[in-house]
Amino acid sequence: NAGVMQNPRHLVRRRGQEARLRCSPMKGHSHVYWYRQLPEEGLKFMVYLQKENIIDESGMPKERFSAEFPKEGPSILRIQQVVRGDSAAYFCASSPDRGTFHTDTQYFGPGTRLTVL
Amino acid sequence: DQQVKQNSPSLSVQEGRISILNCDYTNSMFDYFLWYKKYPAEGPTFLISISSIKDKNEDGRFTVFLNKSAKHLSLHIVPSQPGDSAVYFCAALDQAGTALIFGKGTTLSVSS
Repeated sequence: NAGVMQNPRHLVRRRGQEARLRCSPMKGHSHVYWYRQLPEEGLKFMVYLQKENIIDESGMPKERFSAEFPKEGPSILRIQQVVRGDSAAYFCASSPDRGTFHTDTQYFGPGTRLTVL
Repeated sequence: DQQVKQNSPSLSVQEGRISILNCDYTNSMFDYFLWYKKYPAEGPTFLISISSIKDKNEDGRFTVFLNKSAKHLSLHIVPSQPGDSAVYFCAALDQAGTALIFGKGTTLSVSS
């Protein structure tokens, strides 16, 4: 049973370019979360999505960042016009379908390390 | 302002001894806590969790203790093994039940 998959694992962009990070959740999981880890920091929540819906984007920067989780295919985190401060590790997590419980464990992918030159 | 704090950036322990990693939180409304372990260049791996209705949860060598009045939890690893050397993150589930709020992590080094 494959875990959460992310690609690319490493991404280098020049300032002003676009970065697209992809995440395929674990089989049977329809809840996806994106987190960002800056150097020497803990992971910071960015956005929570279900299929075709953004449920909570309270951690997303207001500009340049967007996320989607289409009916078919992986979830995409898109960063437009990247700046040096966007350099970080971006982690995706997924959790099983939820019933009335909110404590389903989030399982993380290996991350995408974005470097902006 | 940090809501989950891991005040010890690092901890060194000898193989076979107990490792105790500590975590404090500020929001008394948090009711579910998790510990994750992370190796370099990998994603966090879930270790163990605890609900606020309990004060202890055990899974093999790992035990998490929760002291709600002190807003403190700790992870005990007994006995510690060299393969346990990693960064350990404490996390709390936010009140909406969606976002994990992480501490900055504690790097554990277990020497043989």
